Amino acid sequence: AQSVTQPDIHITVSEGASLELRCNYSYGATPYLFWYVQSPGQGLQLLLKYFSGDTLVQGFKGFEAEFKRSQSSFNLRKPSVHWSDAAEYFCAVGEGGSYIPTFGRGTSLIVHP
Amino acid sequence: EAQVTQNPRYLITVTGKKLTVTCSQNMNHEYMSWYRQDPGLGLRQIYYSMNVEVTDKGDVPEGYKVSRKEKRNFPLILESPSPNQTSLYFCASSFTTSGGTTDTQYFGPGTRLTVL
Repeated sequence: AQSVTQPDIHITVSEGASLELRCNYSYGATPYLFWYVQSPGQGLQLLLKYFSGDTLVQGFKGFEAEFKRSQSSFNLRKPSVHWSDAAEYFCAVGEGGSYIPTFGRGTSLIVHP
Repeated sequence: EAQVTQNPRYLITVTGKKLTVTCSQNMNHEYMSWYRQDPGLGLRQIYYSMNVEVTDKGDVPEGYKVSRKEKRNFPLILESPSPNQTSLYFCASSFTTSGGTTDTQYFGPGTRLTVL
């Protein structure tokens, strides 16, 4: 069964600094990978996804993620963080033939002015 | 506007009193699901539905029931709630992929349930 690890529970960055949120998955074939963002008091919203093709995918709000098969990773990056990016970020993986997607435990992003 | 709605948004109840949380989507998605979110545990799927009258267990189905009589609605039923079901619940819907899994999920705003 697939699993997702987000090793960082909290990350604190200064506004304007770069950001990388880590995500590692455990799955044999090519997974379907997602990053979702949850703002306080709201549901999750898709940031970006990877199914196949170009391993560097772009999302909204200037986020991008790179699929690295050799490292089983799908890390989320942003070159310059804005205060409005403070939120909870979830990595998720889907497996062909399974309709039970697996979510990581989330990383809480704190942005200092 | 494409959306998933849930009601109620907040609910405080007592042990054993049956309750239903409603979920509706207007995107004609065939797939719908329920999750619970608990601190430090991320999201765990309770039940999902591939289409009308087709439902299946997720990772944590014990103590919950669902039904899918119409494509747009997917209510979550707690027949006899217990305090360990105190949680934040999300409904979600999506299309499915040709590879046999879920595509982008659209989440409702959440229902915060407290069982005393």
